[in-house]
Amino acid sequence: KNQVEQSPQSLIILEGKNCTLQCNYTVSPFSNLRWYKQDTGRGPVSLTIMTFSENTKSNGRYTATLDADTKQSSLHITASQLSDSASYICVVSNYYGGSQGNLIFGKGTKLSVKP
Amino acid sequence: DVKVTQSSRYLVKRTGEKVFLECVQDMDHENMFWYRQDPGLGLRLIYFSYDVKMKEKGDIPEGYSVSREKKERFSLILESASTNQTSMYLCASSLRRDKAYEQYFGPGTRLTVT
Repeated sequence: KNQVEQSPQSLIILEGKNCTLQCNYTVSPFSNLRWYKQDTGRGPVSLTIMTFSENTKSNGRYTATLDADTKQSSLHITASQLSDSASYICVVSNYYGGSQGNLIFGKGTKLSVKP
Repeated sequence: DVKVTQSSRYLVKRTGEKVFLECVQDMDHENMFWYRQDPGLGLRLIYFSYDVKMKEKGDIPEGYSVSREKKERFSLILESASTNQTSMYLCASSLRRDKAYEQYFGPGTRLTVT
C-alpha cells in the first residue's frame, strides 16, 4: 500500500533555531517528492520538488533532502522565523508520463515558532 | 503566477441543503481536483477532472458530485449536506495529465454544516 508518514506530528521551537522534519514513504513507482507549506486557513504552497536523481534542493532557508534508497526525505529549516509557523506536508507522486497515477499525501507536521 | 480562486473562504449551511463550491483557475490548466482536509487525516481526493465534461472519482466521492462545463471552472456539489461534511475543501489545478503531480492549490473553503 502506498503510504507517506511524517514525523513529528507537531513541533515547537524558539525563533532563530533550526529544525528538521521527516518524511518516510513507501510509494511505487516513485516519480517525485514535494514539500508544501500550509499556513493556517490557507491552501498549500509548494516549497521544493525533487525527482529520483536529486538528493538536495534549497529554497531560501528551506533545504529538502531525498534518499531514494532508504525512501526518506527531510525538510530542514534554518534560522526559523515566526512566519515559519505552519503545517508542512510531504507529497509523493507516482505519475509517469501520461499514465494514471496518484499523489500520496502525508498528514503533515505542524510547526510552531515561538518568540 | 498560477491563480486558483475559490468562491468562498467560509460557508455555513444547514443539514439537507444543496451546497455549491466553485473553483476557478486562470492558467488554462487541463486538470482540476477537489480535496477535503480534516485534522489527523490529511488531504483526501474527492473528484478530479482531466478535461471539460470529464470527471473521475477520487478516494472519497460518496455524498459529492462535480461539474466541469468550462475548462477554467470546476464545481463541487453536496446534494444534501450532512454534518460529517464539515471540513476544509481545497481545489487544485495542474497543467496537463503528465504534469498532474504539479498541483497549485486555492485558498480553501471552510464549510460548516449545522
